[in-house]
Amino acid sequence: DAKTTQPPSMDCAEGRAANLPCNHSTISGNEYVYWYRQIHSQGPQYIIHGLKNNETNEMASLIITEDRKSSTLILPHATLRDTAVYYCIVERASGTYKYIFGTGTRLKVLA
Amino acid sequence: DAEITQSPRHKITETGRQVTLACHQTWNHNNMFWYRQDLGHGLRLIHYSYGVQDTNKGEVSDGYSVSRSNTEDLPLTLESAASSQTSVYFCASSENLGGTQYFGPGTRLLVL
Repeated sequence: DAKTTQPPSMDCAEGRAANLPCNHSTISGNEYVYWYRQIHSQGPQYIIHGLKNNETNEMASLIITEDRKSSTLILPHATLRDTAVYYCIVERASGTYKYIFGTGTRLKVLA
Repeated sequence: DAEITQSPRHKITETGRQVTLACHQTWNHNNMFWYRQDLGHGLRLIHYSYGVQDTNKGEVSDGYSVSRSNTEDLPLTLESAASSQTSVYFCASSENLGGTQYFGPGTRLLVL
């Protein structure tokens, strides 16, 4: 099963773009990349997901490399409320279901 | 608004006792999941269900059981609580098998 690797922590200045990288070099062709975040000890919150193409929604953008071995979550204008742990997850949507959370990246947005 | 709730939010119990954590969702989702979260491990999947009467083991299912008698509820039972099961437990649901999961607020369980 595909694993993900993320830096343990990052800082970002308020108002600047936060770029959170994720390595998933063993990803298979039918596996999606999902991003969630967890603020304090709340339940994780969905942000965005993608398979091959780049995706954008009201919260963030997801850039997936052409070989699909890595991706970047972009928060275009980080605010203090974006301080959280961000999880990159590879999800297999067929066969044995497994949603593997790593330890994530702790993003701190600085005023 | 549709939501997913967990109860209790906090629980203290003793080793050897049976404990049941409740999860209730009003999304009418077929898929429901239980995770535990410990420091240094992120979230780990315990059990999941694709629908009524369906249950499946996840990554860390030993010592836990679930049953699905209706669409809305997936209770998690610790048959004989152990100190190693002290953790924060999250329930989630999703509409599609491969799709966005909506998480509950969590239950903090302390086993003494």
